[in-house]
Amino acid sequence: AQKVTQAQTEISVVEKEDVTLDCVYETRDTTYYLFWYKQPPSGELVFLIRRNSFDEQNEISGRYSWNFQKSTSSFNFTITASQVVDSAVYFCAPTKGSQGNLIFGKGTKLSVKP
Amino acid sequence: DSGVTQTPKHLITATGQRVTLRCSPRSGDLSVYWYQQSLDQGLQFLIQYYNGEERAKGNILERFSAQQFPDLHSELNLSSLELGDSALYFCASSPRGVSSYEQYFGPGTRLTVT
Repeated sequence: AQKVTQAQTEISVVEKEDVTLDCVYETRDTTYYLFWYKQPPSGELVFLIRRNSFDEQNEISGRYSWNFQKSTSSFNFTITASQVVDSAVYFCAPTKGSQGNLIFGKGTKLSVKP
Repeated sequence: DSGVTQTPKHLITATGQRVTLRCSPRSGDLSVYWYQQSLDQGLQFLIQYYNGEERAKGNILERFSAQQFPDLHSELNLSSLELGDSALYFCASSPRGVSSYEQYFGPGTRLTVT
């Protein structure tokens, strides 16, 4: 069975601090896709990144970076120099099966204080 | 703006009633997914359609049904509503109904059952 764990329920940081959000995905599948979504207080779900299981290269996009390690089943997300606008709930979501429906973790609520 | 539209934005109705939620996917996207977000269950996949055909089913109750029309818009029908059906219902679309494509979410419909 597949299991996605976001162990951090809530994180609070002060603006300009770096913060890492953890995600562990346990599965027997050898090929899969992992996504991160952001849900700001306004409620919409915003796509951030997609990675596949055979690409362990870290990815950087502006202040965001992602570290995927298949050996530990971890797909972590780092925000560098956090800003108040980064305050949101962040979801890690692998896909189930070939159809692509997302299995969402419970989410990590990030609060960035000025 | 993801390009996915959902109507209505808010819906308040009484127990036992029936409601219809509507979703228009991004231009060119053939697949539509429905998700439910509630406090106790988190974000859950309900059902997926691809080019008018049902592709995958998740934790969708028998009281709920959906369809995708020839113009690719989709409707989610919820009947015999119960208090526990109060939730945020999201629709998402992707170009194809497979794992490798990211899903773009609509703003959601907040359903309150009183």
